Amino acid sequence: GAVVSQHPSRVICKSGTSVKIECRSLDFQATTMFWYRQFPKQSLMLMATSNEGSKATYEQGVEKDKFLINHASLTLSTLTVTSAHPEDSSFYICSATRDTQYFGPGTRLTVL
Amino acid sequence: GDSVTQMEGPVTLSEEAFLTINCTYTATGYPSLFWYVQYPGEGLQLLLKATKADDKGSNKGFEATYRKETTSFHLEKGSVQVSDSAVYFCALTTPSGSARQLTFGSGTQLTVLP
Repeated sequence: GAVVSQHPSRVICKSGTSVKIECRSLDFQATTMFWYRQFPKQSLMLMATSNEGSKATYEQGVEKDKFLINHASLTLSTLTVTSAHPEDSSFYICSATRDTQYFGPGTRLTVL
Repeated sequence: GDSVTQMEGPVTLSEEAFLTINCTYTATGYPSLFWYVQYPGEGLQLLLKATKADDKGSNKGFEATYRKETTSFHLEKGSVQVSDSAVYFCALTTPSGSARQLTFGSGTQLTVLP
């Protein structure tokens, strides 16, 4: 089956620092990847659509200068949370599209 | 716009009980329907899917039938196990564009007690 990995699985950082999260499709090429944010006991909120070789498409209300997305190859998309603050603490999940969406295991970000 | 309405949880059942989690949808066109499962601290895993009316998706003892007339895709399992404890998400995607963006329901927490 299709495998998507995320790194790191957990990260704790200080307020004001930047954090990069990687999403990789391990056994297939994905022209489109998605980034989601999930708050405790809630559903997934789509943040942005990441397209290989072009700019990401952000959902309404998501700050593109704060959540930088780069999709440099067909197997890698990165999400950088810039100048992180405690309210950015969340579970971030990526997915990669082949015949359907395959999800990564998620990254737990805690900003102190 | 497209939307998915799921039965609110949490749902608590005893082992070997029958499970139903209701899901209805609103969509333009002919969506594909999915159930995803999320175990604690993990990402989502595709549980089953159906791509056209009257299709039945099944996996690991779970089933769901795509009912166009009632716009529903209810998840069922005849005999749940403790290991089925997780959050279940109903979702749809419509074939507009190439991104096949998913629309999720709010999720239903299932706890199965031994």
